[in-house]
Amino acid sequence: SAVISQKPSRDICQRGTSLTIQCQVDSQVTMMFWYRQQPGQSLTLIATANQGSEATYESGFVIDKFPISRPNLTFSTLTVSNMSPEDSSIYLCSVVPGSIYEQYFGPGTRLTVT
Amino acid sequence: AQSVTQPDIHITVSEGASLELRCNYSYGATPYLFWYVQSPGQGLQLLLKYFSGDTLVQGIKGFEAEFKRSQSSFNLRKPSVHWSDAAEYFCAVGGSGTASKLTFGTGTRLQVTL
Repeated sequence: SAVISQKPSRDICQRGTSLTIQCQVDSQVTMMFWYRQQPGQSLTLIATANQGSEATYESGFVIDKFPISRPNLTFSTLTVSNMSPEDSSIYLCSVVPGSIYEQYFGPGTRLTVT
Repeated sequence: AQSVTQPDIHITVSEGASLELRCNYSYGATPYLFWYVQSPGQGLQLLLKYFSGDTLVQGIKGFEAEFKRSQSSFNLRKPSVHWSDAAEYFCAVGGSGTASKLTFGTGTRLQVTL
């Protein structure tokens, strides 16, 4: 398994601003993902954070809105840009440590946009 | 495209009673199936997984799940529910290689009455 931390754990932001969420893992991992969980909803994959290359975004998500960095094998950031109330969600990072078939999740960042 | 259906949005059981949460999936190849639990305000915890082999898999916290290919199902069971099992349960499907990104069901909220 892996120990994953996220910062901040929660934040309240104003419309039009940006927030950067950090994800730190206690071991080197190849694959990291970012998910969004809108209120009362399931998880939706935003993108795969690739180390050393651009992130791979899922349909409906674009780099200008959700830029992602992955400077090394233990760290990634997700920025939510030009926020609107519709961006109010829980944002979770996940990793695939040793086995490619198991995915572990961070505690999430609860974002509220006013 | 892969998809997951959890037909029960909300289930209430009495403490000590048995539990079965339903999950049906659609996947073009051999699926990798997972059950996660999310307690209020928490991230997701992996309960169990199925990749291949024995179709009855054991997980943590006394949970088990049975893979039935003919029914495209992966139902989660527990013989005796504890009050601390109250949470949201998500079924997910993924695959090998680059498809290790997961598709989640909409979740089943479990309420346990004393």
